[in-house]
Amino acid sequence: NAGVTQTPKFQVLKTGQSMTLQCAQDMNHNSMYWYRQDPGMGLRLIYYSASEGTTDKGEVPNGYNVSRLNKREFSLRLESAAPSQTSVYFCASSEEAGGPHEQYFGPGTRLTVT
Amino acid sequence: QKEVEQNSGPLSVPEGAIASLNCTYSDRGSQSFFWYRQYSGKSPELIMFIYSNGDKEDGRFTAQLNKASQYVSLLIRDSQPSDSATYLCAPYDNNAGNMLTFGGGTRLMVKP
Repeated sequence: NAGVTQTPKFQVLKTGQSMTLQCAQDMNHNSMYWYRQDPGMGLRLIYYSASEGTTDKGEVPNGYNVSRLNKREFSLRLESAAPSQTSVYFCASSEEAGGPHEQYFGPGTRLTVT
Repeated sequence: QKEVEQNSGPLSVPEGAIASLNCTYSDRGSQSFFWYRQYSGKSPELIMFIYSNGDKEDGRFTAQLNKASQYVSLLIRDSQPSDSATYLCAPYDNNAGNMLTFGGGTRLMVKP
């Protein structure tokens, strides 16, 4: 099993460009998450999806949109990138949203916006 | 707004020593805690989950939870250079479910 995969691994964008970060999991998990990680800030939740067909905002959703394409895939879109969105983006999944469950993280996407 | 505080470090300990990592939190509704480890340039991975007051031991790792003081710690005995990483604390509460709020992490350096 590959676990959680993310593409691309690295990306450089110019201000105003758009892009979609892709995430897929093969663990048959119901819940999926998108985080960003800035130096010294820990992980901050952008959006999450408790189950297929549902999405909810996290702590820092502004400037992002998400799509839960199916049970396996959860994408994050930046419509008009800004330098403040320079960060490392992690996708994660867990068995379900209720009850404490381990979250499994993908390898991350390092995004630079110039 | 939940607050989860960790000393950013770096916390430097010699090989073989005990490393003590601390986490304080503001939300009294938090019932249990995750500790994740993150190596430089890698993704976080779960190392401990503690849900009751007192200690939980797993190999060289011991998590200690004091709900009254809103304080949780992670002790690493016989620290090894391979333990050098950033350790992230995340409280869990039933209302938020798995919408975790992570602390900023403590960077641990174990010197040979």
